[in-house]
Amino acid sequence: AQSVTQLDSQVPVFEEAPVELRCNYSSSVSVYLFWYVQYPNQGLQLLLKYLSGSTLVKGINGFEAEFNKSQTSFHLRKPSVHISDTAEYFCAVRRGDGGSQGNLIFGKGTKLSVKP
Amino acid sequence: DVKVTQSSRYLVKRTGEKVFLECVQDMDHENMFWYRQDPGLGLRLIYFSYDVKMKEKGDIPEGYSVSREKKERFSLILESASTNQTSMYLCAWGGQGHYGYTFGSGTRLTVV
Repeated sequence: AQSVTQLDSQVPVFEEAPVELRCNYSSSVSVYLFWYVQYPNQGLQLLLKYLSGSTLVKGINGFEAEFNKSQTSFHLRKPSVHISDTAEYFCAVRRGDGGSQGNLIFGKGTKLSVKP
Repeated sequence: DVKVTQSSRYLVKRTGEKVFLECVQDMDHENMFWYRQDPGLGLRLIYFSYDVKMKEKGDIPEGYSVSREKKERFSLILESASTNQTSMYLCAWGGQGHYGYTFGSGTRLTVV
């Protein structure tokens, strides 16, 4: 079975500083990996996804993530954050060997708080 | 793009009431999911469905049931609401070849 660990429940950072949100997964099969963002009182919005190919994935709002198979990690990064990036971020994993079947398994989330 | 609509943003119900949460997607596609979201626990899968009249239990189905009479509509039912079911409920759609999910805006349910 797959599982996802988000190593930090809260990450405070100053505006224009870089940020990294960490995500590790465990799986005995190939996986698809996702990052979602949730702004206050809203549903989840897809930031980016890794399905195959290049291990560096670029998403919306200047975010990117790197898939590292040997480290079983998929950390999310942004070189310079804005106040508007304050939100909760969720990492998710899905089996990669069953086509598009297979449920998404979510981490517990990381709250990013950007301070002026 | 697929649109997933949840019928209510906020609901307040009394203990013991039967509660229906509705979710509609505008694509004639298969996979729909109900999650609940609680602080510190992330998203937990309650039920999912891959087709009409088909349902499968997720990780925390106790106290819930679902109905899928039409492909576009997936309803979550709380047979007898309890205070520990106070939560944010999120519906999602994941179509064939669509490897991630599209989420609705969520329903924040308070049971008093």
